[in-house]
Amino acid sequence: KAGVTQTPRYLIKTRGQQVTLSCSPISGHRSVSWYQQTPGQGLQFLFEYFSETQRNKGNFPGRFSGRQFSNSRSEMNVSTLELGDSALYLCASSLDFGVVTQYFGPGTRLTVL
Amino acid sequence: QQQVKQSPQSLIVQKGGISIINCAYENTAFDYFPWYQQFPGKGPALLIAIRPDVSEKKEGRFTISFNKSAKQFSLHIMDSQPGDSATYFCAAGIQGAQKLVFGQGTRLTINP
Repeated sequence: KAGVTQTPRYLIKTRGQQVTLSCSPISGHRSVSWYQQTPGQGLQFLFEYFSETQRNKGNFPGRFSGRQFSNSRSEMNVSTLELGDSALYLCASSLDFGVVTQYFGPGTRLTVL
Repeated sequence: QQQVKQSPQSLIVQKGGISIINCAYENTAFDYFPWYQQFPGKGPALLIAIRPDVSEKKEGRFTISFNKSAKQFSLHIMDSQPGDSATYFCAAGIQGAQKLVFGQGTRLTINP
């Protein structure tokens, strides 16, 4: 069974731009969570989607948003990029809502210049 | 209360030795404690996980020890190998809520 896939793997943007990252969960998994990983803050929860609805949200500004499609694929969007948004963005897939066991994708490395 | 504290930040162990990484939590509502292994350029991979109704879980060379009263849990890697060199993260979660709270990570180096 294929794992979690994320595209693109690497992205370079400039301040003020916006970016969209994509995630395809493991086949049959219906829940997707997003995390931000930085050297200083570690792994931090962004939000969680199930059945095309955001179920939980971490402590990030409104510039960070996401959505989930009917096939469980998810996208996250960051608007008005700041230098501090440079990070590895990780998508995690879970079988169902409330199932806390999560499997991570390889991440998208975002660099903001 | 949502924090998970992990130590040490870095660890060097000789090949064949035992690697031990510790984590502590505050929130007694946590009921799921996974460990993830991350290699450079890769996403975290689920290694092993434990629930608070057991004190120990073993999978191959990896063992989680759990002390509910002390609110601590640890990862033991027996017969450590150079291929185990990676960053290890402990985490805590609650069944029914997708969010995992992660420790800061431990960079493990196994010297040949």
